[in-house]
Amino acid sequence: AQSVTQLDSQVPVFEEAPVELRCNYSSSVSVYLFWYVQYPNQGLQLLLKYLSGSTLVESINGFEAEFNKSQTSFHLRKPSVHISDTAEYFCAVRKETSGSRLTFGEGTQLTVNP
Amino acid sequence: EAEVAQSPRYKITEKSQAVAFWCDPISGHATLYWYRQILGQGPELLVQFQDESVVDDSQLPKDRFSAERLKGVDSTLKIQPAELGDSAMYLCASSLLANTEAFFGQGTRLTVV
Repeated sequence: AQSVTQLDSQVPVFEEAPVELRCNYSSSVSVYLFWYVQYPNQGLQLLLKYLSGSTLVESINGFEAEFNKSQTSFHLRKPSVHISDTAEYFCAVRKETSGSRLTFGEGTQLTVNP
Repeated sequence: EAEVAQSPRYKITEKSQAVAFWCDPISGHATLYWYRQILGQGPELLVQFQDESVVDDSQLPKDRFSAERLKGVDSTLKIQPAELGDSAMYLCASSLLANTEAFFGQGTRLTVV
Protein backbone atom coordinates (compact mmCIF):
# COMPACT_ATOMS: atom_id res chain seq x y z
CA ALA A 1 0.00 0.00 0.00
CA GLN A 2 1.11 3.54 -0.65
CA SER A 3 1.72 6.13 2.08
CA VAL A 4 2.42 9.85 2.27
CA THR A 5 4.54 11.75 4.77
CA GLN A 6 4.33 15.51 5.11
CA LEU A 7 7.39 16.44 7.05
CA ASP A 8 6.15 19.68 8.60
CA SER A 9 2.85 19.99 10.43
CA GLN A 10 3.08 23.78 10.64
CA VAL A 11 4.98 26.31 8.54
CA PRO A 12 4.83 29.97 9.60
CA VAL A 13 6.28 32.51 7.15
CA PHE A 14 6.16 36.24 6.54
CA GLU A 15 4.33 37.73 3.60
CA GLU A 16 6.37 37.84 0.35
CA ALA A 17 8.83 35.24 1.66
CA PRO A 18 9.44 31.98 -0.24
CA VAL A 19 8.01 28.75 1.13
CA GLU A 20 8.49 25.00 0.62
CA LEU A 21 6.08 22.38 1.94
CA ARG A 22 7.67 18.96 1.91
CA CYS A 23 6.03 15.71 0.85
CA ASN A 24 7.51 12.23 0.53
CA TYR A 25 5.66 9.14 -0.59
CA SER A 26 6.15 5.42 -0.46
CA SER A 27 4.87 3.07 -3.13
CA SER A 28 6.08 -0.07 -4.87
CA VAL A 29 4.46 0.96 -8.16
CA SER A 30 4.14 4.10 -10.27
CA VAL A 31 1.89 6.76 -8.82
CA TYR A 32 0.03 9.96 -9.56
CA LEU A 33 0.66 12.84 -7.14
CA PHE A 34 -1.55 15.71 -6.02
CA TRP A 35 -1.55 18.76 -3.78
CA TYR A 36 -4.87 19.91 -2.32
CA VAL A 37 -5.59 23.08 -0.32
CA GLN A 38 -8.23 23.37 2.40
CA TYR A 39 -9.53 26.61 3.89
CA PRO A 40 -11.26 26.52 7.32
CA ASN A 41 -14.52 24.55 7.31
CA GLN A 42 -14.29 23.95 3.59
CA GLY A 43 -13.72 20.96 1.36
CA LEU A 44 -10.45 20.29 -0.45
CA GLN A 45 -9.54 22.05 -3.68
CA LEU A 46 -7.06 20.61 -6.13
CA LEU A 47 -4.00 22.85 -6.36
CA LEU A 48 -1.90 20.88 -8.85
CA LYS A 49 -1.20 17.35 -10.02
CA TYR A 50 1.49 15.21 -11.58
CA LEU A 51 0.26 12.45 -13.88
CA SER A 52 3.05 12.14 -16.43
CA GLY A 53 5.38 14.22 -18.60
CA SER A 54 7.25 17.21 -17.21
CA THR A 55 8.25 16.66 -13.60
CA LEU A 56 7.64 20.34 -12.78
CA VAL A 57 3.97 21.25 -12.51
CA GLU A 58 2.48 24.66 -11.81
CA SER A 59 -0.77 26.06 -10.47
CA ILE A 60 -2.55 29.21 -11.63
CA ASN A 61 -1.80 31.05 -8.37
CA GLY A 62 2.00 30.75 -8.41
CA PHE A 63 2.59 27.43 -6.65
CA GLU A 64 4.75 24.75 -8.25
CA ALA A 65 5.77 21.22 -7.34
CA GLU A 66 8.48 18.97 -8.68
CA PHE A 67 8.18 15.21 -8.90
CA ASN A 68 11.48 13.57 -7.94
CA LYS A 69 11.25 9.83 -8.49
CA SER A 70 14.66 8.99 -7.05
CA GLN A 71 13.90 10.89 -3.85
CA THR A 72 10.21 9.84 -3.87
CA SER A 73 9.29 13.45 -3.20
CA PHE A 74 6.76 15.98 -4.46
CA HIS A 75 7.58 19.21 -2.60
CA LEU A 76 5.37 22.27 -3.04
CA ARG A 77 6.99 25.69 -3.46
CA LYS A 78 6.02 29.31 -3.94
CA PRO A 79 8.61 32.09 -4.40
CA SER A 80 6.51 34.79 -2.69
CA VAL A 81 3.49 34.05 -0.48
CA HIS A 82 0.44 36.21 0.27
CA ILE A 83 -1.73 36.43 3.37
CA SER A 84 -4.47 34.69 1.36
CA ASP A 85 -2.27 31.57 0.99
CA THR A 86 -2.88 30.79 4.67
CA ALA A 87 -4.54 27.36 4.65
CA GLU A 88 -3.97 23.65 5.22
CA TYR A 89 -2.15 21.88 2.39
CA PHE A 90 -2.46 18.14 1.76
CA CYS A 91 -0.24 15.97 -0.40
CA ALA A 92 -1.94 12.89 -1.86
CA VAL A 93 -0.90 9.86 -3.91
CA ARG A 94 -2.77 7.37 -6.02
CA LYS A 95 -1.41 4.27 -7.79
CA GLU A 96 -1.67 4.40 -11.57
CA THR A 97 -3.88 1.30 -11.61
CA SER A 98 -7.55 2.05 -12.16
CA GLY A 99 -9.72 2.06 -9.06
CA SER A 100 -6.92 2.62 -6.58
CA ARG A 101 -7.56 4.78 -3.54
CA LEU A 102 -6.35 8.35 -3.06
CA THR A 103 -4.19 8.42 0.08
CA PHE A 104 -3.54 11.70 1.89
CA GLY A 105 -0.77 12.93 4.16
CA GLU A 106 -1.47 14.48 7.55
CA GLY A 107 -1.41 18.01 6.20
CA THR A 108 0.75 21.12 6.63
CA GLN A 109 -0.74 24.29 8.06
CA LEU A 110 0.78 27.26 6.23
CA THR A 111 0.36 30.52 8.10
CA VAL A 112 1.43 33.71 6.34
CA ASN A 113 2.02 36.62 8.71
CA PRO A 114 2.13 40.32 7.74
CA GLU B 1 -19.38 25.59 -12.51
CA ALA B 2 -20.27 22.00 -11.60
CA GLU B 3 -19.59 21.02 -8.01
CA VAL B 4 -20.16 18.26 -5.51
CA ALA B 5 -23.13 19.05 -3.26
CA GLN B 6 -23.32 17.83 0.32
CA SER B 7 -25.93 18.29 3.01
CA PRO B 8 -26.22 19.17 5.76
CA ARG B 9 -23.17 21.41 6.26
CA TYR B 10 -23.29 20.98 10.01
CA LYS B 11 -24.92 18.33 12.19
CA ILE B 12 -25.04 17.94 15.96
CA THR B 13 -26.37 14.66 17.27
CA GLU B 14 -26.45 12.82 20.55
CA LYS B 15 -24.50 9.60 20.92
CA SER B 16 -26.46 6.45 20.15
CA GLN B 17 -28.65 8.36 17.67
CA ALA B 18 -28.71 7.72 13.93
CA VAL B 19 -27.37 10.30 11.48
CA ALA B 20 -27.24 10.46 7.69
CA PHE B 21 -25.33 12.54 5.18
CA TRP B 22 -26.18 13.09 1.54
CA CYS B 23 -23.93 13.70 -1.46
CA ASP B 24 -24.70 14.59 -5.07
CA PRO B 25 -21.58 14.23 -7.25
CA ILE B 26 -20.72 16.17 -10.36
CA SER B 27 -22.94 15.02 -13.22
CA GLY B 28 -21.37 12.20 -15.20
CA HIS B 29 -18.82 11.27 -12.55
CA ALA B 30 -18.83 7.49 -12.18
CA THR B 31 -16.61 7.32 -9.10
CA LEU B 32 -17.80 8.59 -5.72
CA TYR B 33 -15.84 8.66 -2.46
CA TRP B 34 -16.69 9.24 1.18
CA TYR B 35 -13.81 10.42 3.37
CA ARG B 36 -13.64 11.10 7.10
CA GLN B 37 -11.34 13.85 8.30
CA ILE B 38 -10.65 14.04 12.02
CA LEU B 39 -9.54 17.49 13.19
CA GLY B 40 -5.84 17.99 12.53
CA GLN B 41 -5.49 14.94 10.30
CA GLY B 42 -5.66 14.15 6.62
CA PRO B 43 -8.80 12.66 5.04
CA GLU B 44 -9.19 8.89 5.32
CA LEU B 45 -11.17 6.94 2.72
CA LEU B 46 -14.25 5.23 4.13
CA VAL B 47 -15.84 3.93 0.94
CA GLN B 48 -15.40 4.20 -2.81
CA PHE B 49 -18.13 3.54 -5.38
CA GLN B 50 -17.80 2.84 -9.07
CA ASP B 51 -21.30 3.60 -10.38
CA GLU B 52 -23.55 1.79 -7.88
CA SER B 53 -20.97 -0.81 -6.81
CA VAL B 54 -18.69 -0.61 -3.80
CA VAL B 55 -15.06 -1.09 -4.89
CA ASP B 56 -13.33 -0.30 -1.59
CA ASP B 57 -14.87 -0.25 1.88
CA SER B 58 -11.95 -1.76 3.75
CA GLN B 59 -11.78 1.17 6.23
CA LEU B 60 -15.54 1.48 6.78
CA PRO B 61 -16.61 0.45 10.32
CA LYS B 62 -19.35 -1.80 9.05
CA ASP B 63 -20.89 -2.48 12.46
CA ARG B 64 -22.22 1.10 12.54
CA PHE B 65 -21.57 2.73 9.16
CA SER B 66 -23.37 2.03 5.91
CA ALA B 67 -23.25 3.67 2.50
CA GLU B 68 -25.33 3.31 -0.60
CA ARG B 69 -25.49 4.71 -4.11
CA LEU B 70 -28.56 2.96 -5.41
CA LYS B 71 -28.89 4.48 -8.89
CA GLY B 72 -25.23 5.24 -9.35
CA VAL B 73 -25.76 8.97 -8.88
CA ASP B 74 -26.25 10.46 -5.40
CA SER B 75 -25.18 8.70 -2.24
CA THR B 76 -26.05 8.47 1.45
CA LEU B 77 -23.70 7.69 4.32
CA LYS B 78 -25.35 6.58 7.57
CA ILE B 79 -24.05 6.11 11.09
CA GLN B 80 -26.11 4.14 13.59
CA PRO B 81 -25.53 4.44 16.48
CA ALA B 82 -23.27 7.48 16.55
CA GLU B 83 -20.37 7.51 19.02
CA LEU B 84 -18.38 10.43 20.42
CA GLY B 85 -15.37 9.39 18.35
CA ASP B 86 -17.35 9.86 15.14
CA SER B 87 -17.09 13.64 15.49
CA ALA B 88 -15.29 14.71 12.32
CA MET B 89 -15.71 16.30 8.90
CA TYR B 90 -17.26 13.92 6.38
CA LEU B 91 -16.18 14.73 2.85
CA CYS B 92 -17.70 13.47 -0.37
CA ALA B 93 -15.75 13.56 -3.61
CA SER B 94 -16.28 12.43 -7.17
CA SER B 95 -14.16 11.80 -10.23
CA LEU B 96 -14.91 11.14 -13.87
CA LEU B 97 -12.96 7.90 -13.78
CA ALA B 98 -11.38 5.99 -10.93
CA ASN B 99 -7.85 7.17 -11.72
CA THR B 100 -8.45 10.86 -12.38
CA GLU B 101 -8.46 13.75 -9.94
CA ALA B 102 -11.16 13.90 -7.28
CA PHE B 103 -13.37 16.96 -6.75
CA PHE B 104 -14.53 17.53 -3.19
CA GLY B 105 -17.72 18.91 -1.69
CA GLN B 106 -17.79 21.38 1.21
CA GLY B 107 -18.17 18.60 3.73
CA THR B 108 -20.49 17.88 6.64
CA ARG B 109 -19.13 18.76 10.08
CA LEU B 110 -20.53 16.19 12.54
CA THR B 111 -20.44 16.77 16.28
CA VAL B 112 -21.56 13.94 18.53
CA VAL B 113 -22.45 15.02 22.09
